[in-house]
Amino acid sequence: EAQVTQNPRYLITVTGKKLTVTCSQNMNHEYMSWYRQDPGLGLRQIYYSMNVEVTDKGDVPEGYKVSRKEKRNFPLILESPSPNQTSLYFCASSSTAGWGSYNSPLHFGNGTRLTVT
Amino acid sequence: QKEVEQDPGPLSVPEGAIVSLNCTYSNSAFQYFMWYRQYSRKGPELLMYTYSSGNKEDGRFTAQVDKSSKYISLFIRDSQPSDSATYLCANRGGSNYKLTFGKGTLLTVNP
Repeated sequence: EAQVTQNPRYLITVTGKKLTVTCSQNMNHEYMSWYRQDPGLGLRQIYYSMNVEVTDKGDVPEGYKVSRKEKRNFPLILESPSPNQTSLYFCASSSTAGWGSYNSPLHFGNGTRLTVT
Repeated sequence: QKEVEQDPGPLSVPEGAIVSLNCTYSNSAFQYFMWYRQYSRKGPELLMYTYSSGNKEDGRFTAQVDKSSKYISLFIRDSQPSDSATYLCANRGGSNYKLTFGKGTLLTVNP
């Protein structure tokens, strides 16, 4: 089954304790991206990657790091989490061929709910 | 002005009603217009996609784009309880791969 898998689904941590949220896709997609979703603010892009070893900042990159060493994996790293990073996080992927078309939509994972106390 | 504006609702309708969901956008470069549906505790999934002005129909769903007024709509006919979800409009334009999302409208269809 084609899917984007995020882990963990739920995470509670304390301020300053480094954490990694993993994301893996099995569709051989070039493009991957991280979003955070907050009430009243909607989905905001954190980082994206056009392909292996190519990453770029989205709209809200502060406090986050990413890496793309393999095509299928795109982990999100919070080096020193703070309470304002409490949010629902989504990883997404897409083929870049015909990107944005009906045949190449963004595929989202089921989210990681992070709470930083 | 935000690039994509969407009334967050919530919107509650009886089963069988016609639902109208709307977004406005400010960036004339937007060329692709999409609606994503997000069920509770799930990630968004693509529901409708259109490239140009006009209507596109898929079963009970119709996406409408008016580029002259920068207005996009999603109509749901004969709404069902299974349509209860958050609906997000999304636009894309230019040469980059960024999608700009609206904040989403929470829809509840009551049986």
